[in-house]
Amino acid sequence: DTAVSQTPKYLVTQMGNDKSIKCEQNLGHDTMYWYKQDSKKFLKIMFSYNNKELIINETVPNRFSPKSPDKAHLNLHINSLELGDSAVYFCASSQPGLAKETQYFGPGTRLLVL
Amino acid sequence: AQSVTQLGSHVSVSEGALVLLRCNYSSSVPPYLFWYVQYPNQGLQLLLKYTTGATLVKGINGFEAEFKKSETSFHLTKPSAHMSDAAEYFCAVTLSSGSARQLTFGSGTQLTVLP
Repeated sequence: DTAVSQTPKYLVTQMGNDKSIKCEQNLGHDTMYWYKQDSKKFLKIMFSYNNKELIINETVPNRFSPKSPDKAHLNLHINSLELGDSAVYFCASSQPGLAKETQYFGPGTRLLVL
Repeated sequence: AQSVTQLGSHVSVSEGALVLLRCNYSSSVPPYLFWYVQYPNQGLQLLLKYTTGATLVKGINGFEAEFKKSETSFHLTKPSAHMSDAAEYFCAVTLSSGSARQLTFGSGTQLTVLP
C-alpha cells in the first residue's frame, strides 16, 4: 500500500544520456512535487504541479522537464545528463487544504552520472 | 518568502540523554512548520507538524516540538534518546497562504546516539 512510489530506486548512467524517473501517488492528492537532495543532503524544490498544471518552477536547467499525464503521476525527464545532476530526487504529494499541506515523500531515486 | 536555519549540522548525545535539535525560521506570513526524519538511504518521514492551535506538538517516536513565535523557533526535543533515533533530521516551513506551498528545508542535523 505504498502511498508515493518512485522508479527506479537507483539509476547509474553516463554523461550525455537522457533518463526518466517516474512517480506515482495513490493518495488522491492534487499537488505533486519534485525535490533534489544534493551530496550535502540539502533539499530544494524543483517543480510543483497542481492537478496536472505547473505551478512552481524553480531555477532548474531546462534539461529537466516534468510531465504529468494525470494527477496521480509526475514524471521527471532529464536530457543530456551532467555530472552535477548526481543527487537523490524525491517526489512528494499533498492535498491543498487537507492535513494542512502535509507532504508525503517517496523513497527517492538515487541518480549517479558517470 | 521563507527560510529555515538549523543550528548544528551534527549533534551527538548519549543513549538516554535529552535530544535537542534547533530550528529557526523566517516567514512573511504565518508559517506551517514541520520536522522530517531521514534514515540512511531512505525517504523522508514526517515526525510532527505545527499549523495552528496548540504550540506544543507531539509527534511519533516520542518527539515533540514547540512553536515560539516571539523567538521564531521550532526546536525538536525528545526526553530520552534511543539508538534507533540516529538519523538526519530536517526542519521545514511552508506558507499558510498563497498558491506556492513548497517546503523550504533547513540544511539538516545529523543525530548520532552514543551507547
